[in-house]
Amino acid sequence: AQSVTQLDSQVPVFEEAPVELRCNYSSSVSVYLFWYVQYPNQGLQLLLKYLSGSTLVKGINGFEAEFNKSQTSFHLRKPSVHISDTAEYFCAVTKSGGSYIPTFGRGTSLIVHP
Amino acid sequence: KAGVTQTPRYLIKTRGQQVTLSCSPISGHRSVSWYQQTPGQGLQFLFEYFSETQRNKGNFPGRFSGRQFSNSRSEMNVSTLELGDSALYLCASSSQGAGEKLFFGSGTQLSVL
Repeated sequence: AQSVTQLDSQVPVFEEAPVELRCNYSSSVSVYLFWYVQYPNQGLQLLLKYLSGSTLVKGINGFEAEFNKSQTSFHLRKPSVHISDTAEYFCAVTKSGGSYIPTFGRGTSLIVHP
Repeated sequence: KAGVTQTPRYLIKTRGQQVTLSCSPISGHRSVSWYQQTPGQGLQFLFEYFSETQRNKGNFPGRFSGRQFSNSRSEMNVSTLELGDSALYLCASSSQGAGEKLFFGSGTQLSVL
């Protein structure tokens, strides 16, 4: 079984500052990794995903994440945040083969202050 | 392309009742998965249907069931509702499943009184 730990439940940051949202996972097999964003009263929207290949993954809205196998991490970064980035962010993992049962982290609330 | 549509948007039920939620996936998507989202437990996987067959199931009691029709539309049913079933229920569709981008609906907010 796999598990996901999002190390920060809430991250406050000022507009135009850089931000990192941390995600660590645990799995005995190879995994696919995802970051999703949820705006108020909406479903989740995929930001980016890592399946294989380059460990630096670029996504939408200027976000990127780096897969670190040795540290079992997949941290999300953005060099300069906007007020509109205020949302809940979820890290998720699925096994790279076999049954499809995604495991989500508890979420990190990103709060961008003007 | 139309997105994932969930109906109804809000539901209020009382303990002991049953409820049916509906999800229409993006056209051409054969995989529909369901999730329960609560402040305490976060997002938890309920089950996934692919081409009318339940392909995977999470750790929820048998009161939670689902089905998928030939047009890929899916329904989720919860019988004998409990207060703890109050949650946002999200469905997501994808063309194949694992490794694919999930497209989420806006969810059905269920309140059990």
